[in-house]
Amino acid sequence: GAVVSQHPSWVICKSGTSVKIECRSLDFQATTMFWYRQFPKQSLMLMATSNEGSKATYEQGVEKDKFLINHASLTLSTLTVTSAHPEDSSFYICSARDEVRAGGGHGELFFGEGSRLTVL
Amino acid sequence: RKEVEQDPGPFNVPEGATVAFNCTYSNSASQSFFWYRQDCRKEPKLLMSVYSSGNEDGRFTAQLNRASQYISLLIRDSKLSDSATYLCVVRGRNSGYALNFGKGTSLLVTP
Repeated sequence: GAVVSQHPSWVICKSGTSVKIECRSLDFQATTMFWYRQFPKQSLMLMATSNEGSKATYEQGVEKDKFLINHASLTLSTLTVTSAHPEDSSFYICSARDEVRAGGGHGELFFGEGSRLTVL
Repeated sequence: RKEVEQDPGPFNVPEGATVAFNCTYSNSASQSFFWYRQDCRKEPKLLMSVYSSGNEDGRFTAQLNRASQYISLLIRDSKLSDSATYLCVVRGRNSGYALNFGKGTSLLVTP
């Protein structure tokens, strides 16, 4: 089946540094990818929709200058947490839709394995 | 009010038991419904889609009641490997393919 890969799985960084998380669709192309964040015992919250070749669409309350999204190719989207602080520590998960297999229907969204960020 | 609400549990049941989870959603324009399973510190994985006619996949049965905006998941003959968090997920008409997740219901199946 379709696979979405995220890297790194775990990252620990000092407060004030920037961290980049990559999301790749390994065997399909995705014009749209989604970035979610999940705090402990909370639901996954959509942060932004990443659009290949254009600007990302951010959800209300998500700072676009803090969470930089780049979707430069049909198989790669990156999320950069700039000037990370301890409150940014969370589980970040991307997802993508295999548009070819899904056809005109909604189809299944495939999730990356997630990236756990800890900011000291 | 949250868009998707679930009882967080935890549900502790013995092996072989039948357990049911419920979920309500607030947006009447929602179009697609799913149950996802999430193991601890892992990404969510699709368990099954939910249709108005109800659907069954082995030991799992999902039901959707659009009038009540209510979704259910029934697990029969619980296995130890069913222990996980079950996420009720809804997609709206205008949300593209982004998903709205409930907080999840935690299930622990014990020997």
